[in-house]
Amino acid sequence: EPEVTQTPSHQVTQMGQEVILRCVPISNHLYFYWYRQILGQKVEFLVSFYNNEISEKSEIFDDQFSVERPDGSNFTLKIRSTKLEDSAMYFCASSEGTGRSQYYGYTFGSGTRLTVV
Amino acid sequence: AQSVTQLDSHVSVSEGTPVLLRCNYSSSYSPSLFWYVQHPNKGLQLLLKYTSAATLVKGINGFEAEFKKSETSFHLTKPSAHMSDAAEYFCVVITGGATNKLIFGTGTLLAVQP
Repeated sequence: EPEVTQTPSHQVTQMGQEVILRCVPISNHLYFYWYRQILGQKVEFLVSFYNNEISEKSEIFDDQFSVERPDGSNFTLKIRSTKLEDSAMYFCASSEGTGRSQYYGYTFGSGTRLTVV
Repeated sequence: AQSVTQLDSHVSVSEGTPVLLRCNYSSSYSPSLFWYVQHPNKGLQLLLKYTSAATLVKGINGFEAEFKKSETSFHLTKPSAHMSDAAEYFCVVITGGATNKLIFGTGTLLAVQP
């Protein structure tokens, strides 16, 4: 069964450093997402990406965050200058399409646990 | 705007007894609803989905959920809990439209006692 692959599984970084979280979505999927889950809290939407541009972003996704699909297979989330409160599990997901009248499968990766010290 | 409310943050059951995890939704139109499970240090796994077909939805590992429009509920049940069911469960609604983002509930941590 096709999978969404995320690397690394764990990352520890110093406050103020840049981090890049990597994801390889399912190859025929067109929509890509990042979600995050701060320890003990619910999973929150960060950003969606379609046709090489952001289609929606949440309030959390400020100027410190950016996403990119650099080579047609990888989908990355960059945090420019990490803060302690960025410590969380970050999930990548992809889906074939969108639309209320038809459900398109959503597949999550297993997550990257980011710890900012 | 759509939202989901999970009524219990923790549920504890004995192995072999029924499981009930409660979820209420709010939506201005007929929603698509899901239950996801997260085992410790693992990713999010889809248990089951409701997309306006049959109101009783069967999922993996013996779980099922019933969509009740009159009660705006989508409770998750299982007749007999197994130790391996211990995990966190999320009720989720999808927004549809251009983005199709998921809105997660706060989660219910299920403990299964031997």
